[in-house]
Amino acid sequence: EAQVTQNPRYLITVTGKKLTVTCSQNMNHEYMSWYRQDPGLGLRQIYYSMNVEVTDKGDVPEGYKVSRKEKRNFPLILESPSPNQTSLYFCASSLSRGAYEQYFGPGTRLTVT
Amino acid sequence: AQSVSQHNHHVILSEAASLELGCNYSYGGTVNLFWYVQYPGQHLQLLLKYFSGDPLVKGIKGFEAEFIKSKFSFNLRKPSVQWSDTAEYFCAIGSGNTGKLIFGQGTTLQVKP
Repeated sequence: EAQVTQNPRYLITVTGKKLTVTCSQNMNHEYMSWYRQDPGLGLRQIYYSMNVEVTDKGDVPEGYKVSRKEKRNFPLILESPSPNQTSLYFCASSLSRGAYEQYFGPGTRLTVT
Repeated sequence: AQSVSQHNHHVILSEAASLELGCNYSYGGTVNLFWYVQYPGQHLQLLLKYFSGDPLVKGIKGFEAEFIKSKFSFNLRKPSVQWSDTAEYFCAIGSGNTGKLIFGQGTTLQVKP
């Protein structure tokens, strides 16, 4: 089954404790992206990757890092999480940057205390 | 700057009522237009999309949307809603070279049985 998976689905952590949210897709998509969803703001792009070893900042990249060492994986790293990063995070992928139709993962609800 | 505006933040309807959710965008160039739906506790799913051609597009589950270029609008419609349509609906545009989707704030639809 074609899908985007994320882990963990729920995470409660404390300020400053590094964490990684994994994302994997099995559709051989070139383009992958991370969004955060906050009430009243919709989804905002954090980082994106057009292919292996090619990543770039989205609209709200501060406090986040990503890597793309393999085509299927695109982890999101919070080196020193803060309470304002409490949010719902979605990973998404699409065939290429031009395709735009993106397939979303199930989401990771992160709480930073 | 590109932006998407959804005018209705919270809509409450009875079953069998007709639905229209407004979406306006601001961007001078060619855009791809999307409606995504997020059922409670689930990830975003694509309802329908418009890239070019017939401005009236049909999606899944009886939804349709009309692209009106002169009004920069892409409103979502359904003639008769069901309780199972209770969800959050997001309008989005894709444009430029980054593959980014720009989302509206979302509209929560509650359908009363």
